[in-house]
Amino acid sequence: SQQGEEDPQALSIQEGENATMNCSYKTSINNLQWYRQNSGRGLVHLILIRSNEREKHSGRLRVTLDTSKKSSSLLITASRAADTASYFCATDEYSNSGYALNFGKGTSLLVTP
Amino acid sequence: DTGVSQDPRHKITKRGQNVTFRCDPISEHNRLYWYRQTLGQGPEFLTYFQNEAQLEKSRLLSDRFSAERPKGSFSTLEIQRTEQGDSAMYLCASSPGAANTEAFFGQGTRLTVV
Repeated sequence: SQQGEEDPQALSIQEGENATMNCSYKTSINNLQWYRQNSGRGLVHLILIRSNEREKHSGRLRVTLDTSKKSSSLLITASRAADTASYFCATDEYSNSGYALNFGKGTSLLVTP
Repeated sequence: DTGVSQDPRHKITKRGQNVTFRCDPISEHNRLYWYRQTLGQGPEFLTYFQNEAQLEKSRLLSDRFSAERPKGSFSTLEIQRTEQGDSAMYLCASSPGAANTEAFFGQGTRLTVV
């Protein structure tokens, strides 16, 4: 079953604008990760934030995590047309069998020139 | 090392036939995952291995699906008696296995059942 829930489902912005995507989840997690997927391709890891971290940066990406609200956000600043893709959050949650990585349904981002 | 490799990239099969997909993970990655993804949806967890041991299997996975990782290296995913609802992209990923590490994905195998 899918643990995360991204919001919005789709987002359309112009180049240079910022894009914000949100993710909510249900259970306790070890970490939360964001991935990107171009149409018809595999997923590419963007950033990982641990459960004891509140904010993390990587280039034009900024991720926040609020474990009390079980939510995370991904901010892409100064967006480019090449950022057009689907973005997924994934939670690394511990079960009796070890760690399992569960994905949400994703946010489809369109950046127009 | 060229990353996670999946074979074939595309497979068209008739309903009722069996299909087998292969995944070669990144060398020395202990953990290997299989996911299924349909259009407009996120990857749906199917199963994962820690070395050769299959540690978790989705309750959504029917008995027609079986996965192996016999020597803790490559893995195969077999679907028996395929149905049209099995049409999807099947993704494989691997990770070093330690906590707080990212997963590396292959390009996927796109299955079409006609």
